[in-house]
Formats: sequence, C-alpha cells, structure tokens
Amino acid sequence: GDSVTQMEGPVTLSEEAFLTINCTYTATGYPSLFWYVQYPGEGLQLLLKATKADDKGSNKGFEATYRKETTSFHLEKGSVQVSDSAVYFCALSGAGNNRKLIWGLGTSLAVNP
Amino acid sequence: KAGVTQTPRYLIKTRGQQVTLSCSPISGHRSVSWYQQTPGQGLQFLFEYFSETQRNKGNFPGRFSGRQFSNSRSEMNVSTLELGDSALYLCASSQDRGDGYTFGSGTRLTVV
Repeated sequence: GDSVTQMEGPVTLSEEAFLTINCTYTATGYPSLFWYVQYPGEGLQLLLKATKADDKGSNKGFEATYRKETTSFHLEKGSVQVSDSAVYFCALSGAGNNRKLIWGLGTSLAVNP
Repeated sequence: KAGVTQTPRYLIKTRGQQVTLSCSPISGHRSVSWYQQTPGQGLQFLFEYFSETQRNKGNFPGRFSGRQFSNSRSEMNVSTLELGDSALYLCASSQDRGDGYTFGSGTRLTVV
C-alpha cells in the first residue's frame, strides 16, 4: 500500500541555518503531496502542497518540489527562525475518492537562538 | 472565515465508557475526515464522510464509528473505551478538490 517515509528527528538547528527534511513516498498512480506543521498543543496546519510532478509548493519561506523520478518531496528553508520550532509531517493523498491522507511519522525541529 | 471547530478540547473518561466527539467543518466543505494521533502510532486515518456517507474507512475496530449530518457537521463515537484509546483526535475538512485538508485543534481524550 501507499506509504510515506520521512527522516527521523529531532533536528536541532541554530537560527538562520539551512533546513532540509527528507521525505520519500510509495504510491500507485499520481498522489498529491503535502507538508503539514504542528506547533505545540495545536492541530495540524497545511504548510504547502504539490499536486503533480515538478510542481513546487512554497509558503512562509519553505519550499518542496514534487520529484516523481526519485519519489521525493523534501522540505527546505534557507534560514530558519526560532518560531519555526514545531513538528513537520509529510503526507500524500490518493486520487479520486481515495483522498485519505497517508502520513510520515513526523520530524521534530528545534531552532535555538 | 471560521476554521474547523472541534469540541470538546479535552475529555477524561473511564475505561468501558463511551464518548462522542464533535466536528464542525469550514462552511462549504462537504468532506470531513477523522484521524487519531498517538506518540507510538503517529497519525492514523479513522474514516471520511462526504455528503452524509462514509466514503473511506481505516483499520480501526467497530467500537469506532462516526456520522455526518446534512449540514456537514460530523461526530465520532467510541464505545467501550480502552486505555489505548487515549489520543488526540483530529478532524479535517475539505472542499474535496485534492487541495488539502484544514484541521481542527483536536480533542485530547484521556482514558483512565
């Protein structure tokens, strides 16, 4: 079945460092890909998405490109801030009526000032 | 516009009891999904409702059930609670165009 694998955390960075969180997937067909972020004590917020190959999703300085050839959707940010400290989840959604989200296990990011 | 509203935010129940959680989706969203989040298992899909019909179901026992009303509001019910049901239950709504889901803040259920 469909699955998502993302790098284990926790990831600890200093402010203004470069961030990469790896995400790879296994899916039949052409899924949509998402990054969600969860701040402490809160629900999940959609960070960015891509619905077809070579699409680049971007939001709040974060970017991820849908790479069909490597089945990857890595999250990047050029300069992280303390406020980016959160748990980041990679997810995919199938096509048609099977839109349930399949999740990675999440990567915890801590940014130190 | 208002986001996805889940009530209550916190619940403490005793083993063997039952519980009902509520979710009000964003206005105009007809798809509502439920997820369970635990430290050990991560995020797991429970079920999805669209226009009052269950469209997808995850691999949870029959003690977990749900429904959707004509105004798209949804409820999930867990009967005969077990300690392992302690989790954050998240509801998400969508316009069903593949453009992602908007999540509520969740209901934190603790079973003692």
